[in-house]
Amino acid sequence: GALVYQYPRRTICKSGTSMRMECQAVGFQATSVAWYRQSPQKTFELIALSTVNSAIKYEQNFTQEKFPISHPNLSFSSMTVLNAYLEDRGLYLCGARRDWGEWGAETLYFGSGTRLTVL
Amino acid sequence: GEKVEQHESTLSVREGDSAVINCTYTDTASSYFPWYKQEAGKSLHFVIDIRSNVDRKQSQRLIVLLDKKAKRFSLHITATQPEDSAIYFCAPGTGGYKVVFGSGTRLLVSP
Repeated sequence: GALVYQYPRRTICKSGTSMRMECQAVGFQATSVAWYRQSPQKTFELIALSTVNSAIKYEQNFTQEKFPISHPNLSFSSMTVLNAYLEDRGLYLCGARRDWGEWGAETLYFGSGTRLTVL
Repeated sequence: GEKVEQHESTLSVREGDSAVINCTYTDTASSYFPWYKQEAGKSLHFVIDIRSNVDRKQSQRLIVLLDKKAKRFSLHITATQPEDSAIYFCAPGTGGYKVVFGSGTRLLVSP
């Protein structure tokens, strides 16, 4: 079956420092990976969508300068939170998709999440 | 853009009863309607989905109903069990690259 490993599960960083999280797809080819953040209020915000061999699309309020993403192959994606501050805390999820067709028609397989605490 | 709403933030039922969680959306182009579950302190995982070519789908105790006219789909959980307690998110898909989640409905199943 499709599995997505995400690590680290939890991380604490000092304000102004950076942290990197990684997402590994096992058992399928992840042609698209979406990164989400779940705020303390529980809503999910899409940060960016990364598709292999295409430009990464960032949502409004999220930039490459703040959340650089790497998606070098069909099984791995990483995202860094640069200069993390209190407002960046939350649960970060990667969601990977098989390339069966249109994005909206396919299931997202989520990693376990990376919970970021900023001191 | 797509606006997705789950009006009930919390739903409490007794074990063995049925639970119904609703989701409304605005984009008539939406064609894929999944539900995801988030247990306490954990990530999301896929529960069940339905596509726009049908209006009902069942998988064991889970039933999804789709009303395209009303732009609403619902998750029905029959014979609820304590392990069904979680937050349930809908995430209708438009065929594009953006998936918008509802705000979630917390289901509490009491013994």
